[in-house]
Amino acid sequence: GQQVMQIPQYQHVQEGEDFTTYCNSSTTLSNIQWYKQRPGGHPVFLIQLVKSGEVKKQKRLTFQFGEAKKNSSLHITATQTTDVGTYFCAVEYGNKLVFGAGTILRVKS
Amino acid sequence: GAVVSQHPSRVICKSGTSVKIECRSLDFQATTMFWYRQFPKQSLMLMATSNEGSKATYEQGVEKDKFLINHASLTLSTLTVTSAHPEDSSFYICSASVGRSKETQYFGPGTRLLVL
Repeated sequence: GQQVMQIPQYQHVQEGEDFTTYCNSSTTLSNIQWYKQRPGGHPVFLIQLVKSGEVKKQKRLTFQFGEAKKNSSLHITATQTTDVGTYFCAVEYGNKLVFGAGTILRVKS
Repeated sequence: GAVVSQHPSRVICKSGTSVKIECRSLDFQATTMFWYRQFPKQSLMLMATSNEGSKATYEQGVEKDKFLINHASLTLSTLTVTSAHPEDSSFYICSASVGRSKETQYFGPGTRLLVL
């Protein structure tokens, strides 16, 4: 079945440092979604990328979709303690979403 | 935005009992609802897809007789864990989408199940 590899599994940064998580697929994707799950919470939809080479920004978050539509990244500039949580990418497979393993972000203040 | 509620938020039960979890879309009609299970520090694993008025589609390895899903209306789906065992302890999350596909899903707050 469809799989998407997400790295790193875990990142611990100092507040103010940048953070990036990456998702890679062996097949071309129609689109990719990103979710954030706070500790103890549930996944919350952040964004969907559809176009090749697309770049979207949400305040300090920058989302990119690769030219070949096989990879994507989420970059957070100048992390804050409110950014802690697990970030998941999710891709379509048939009529369902398949989630990456997630990247756990911890921010030291 | 779309709101999905889940009840109960937390449940502790004895081994062998059955537990019912409700998932409701509060301000929209959800043609499709999805049930996920998430173990600590792991990703979400899809258990089944449920469409209103039809039988749920279960993922490989998920026992349909153990995890009973009912989607009787456009705003309510239920998951019943029958004869629960300690290994069923997990975080169960439902999500709902408006269309009959995987488009933007709105997640419920989840139910933490602990089976003693």
